[in-house]
Amino acid sequence: GENVEQHPSTLSVQEGDSAVIKCTYSDSASNYFPWYKQELGKRPQLIIDIRSNVGEKKDQRIAVTLNKTAKHFSLHITETQPEDSAVYFCAASRSSGGGADGLTFGKGTHLIIQP
Amino acid sequence: KAGVTQTPRYLIKTRGQQVTLSCSPISGHRSVSWYQQTPGQGLQFLFEYFSETQRNKGNFPGRFSGRQFSNSRSEMNVSTLELGDSALYLCASSLEPNTDTQYFGPGTRLTVL
Repeated sequence: GENVEQHPSTLSVQEGDSAVIKCTYSDSASNYFPWYKQELGKRPQLIIDIRSNVGEKKDQRIAVTLNKTAKHFSLHITETQPEDSAVYFCAASRSSGGGADGLTFGKGTHLIIQP
Repeated sequence: KAGVTQTPRYLIKTRGQQVTLSCSPISGHRSVSWYQQTPGQGLQFLFEYFSETQRNKGNFPGRFSGRQFSNSRSEMNVSTLELGDSALYLCASSLEPNTDTQYFGPGTRLTVL
């Protein structure tokens, strides 16, 4: 089955700086890659996603890049703010929406924004 | 539009008991997936239902089961509870299995003593 590795497990950045979180996946058939943000005690919330027919997607301060050949994708957050502090999860699945195979998640990155 | 709801939010059980958790998807969503979240294993896929049928199941023992009703509401059941079943159980809904975005509910925090 699919295996998703996520790095780093903890990331501390100064407010205003950029943060990058990286994930690799093992199943070349995976074609949907969402990123979720989970604040303490709250539900995971989708912040951005990308499909395998696109190399990059951007939404305001958040962007995701995908390299299908290398089987890795990354989350980029620019101009970080205190409210960006949370745990971020990457995920992969064979069909958009998580379909029959479900989403396979990385272990998460605890992003800490230092004031 | 109301989000995904789960009941109960918190549950305490003892080893050997069984438990049933409930999930109501976003109105109009027909696919419901269940995930287990623990500090050690992270988020793991349990199973997914669409049109009252389980389409796939993750790597969990047969003690974990579920079902979906005609109104798309779903329940999951865990029998013969073990200490290791203590976790946050999250359900997520999407319009259909192969469409975009799974929306998560707040989860049910299960503690097994």
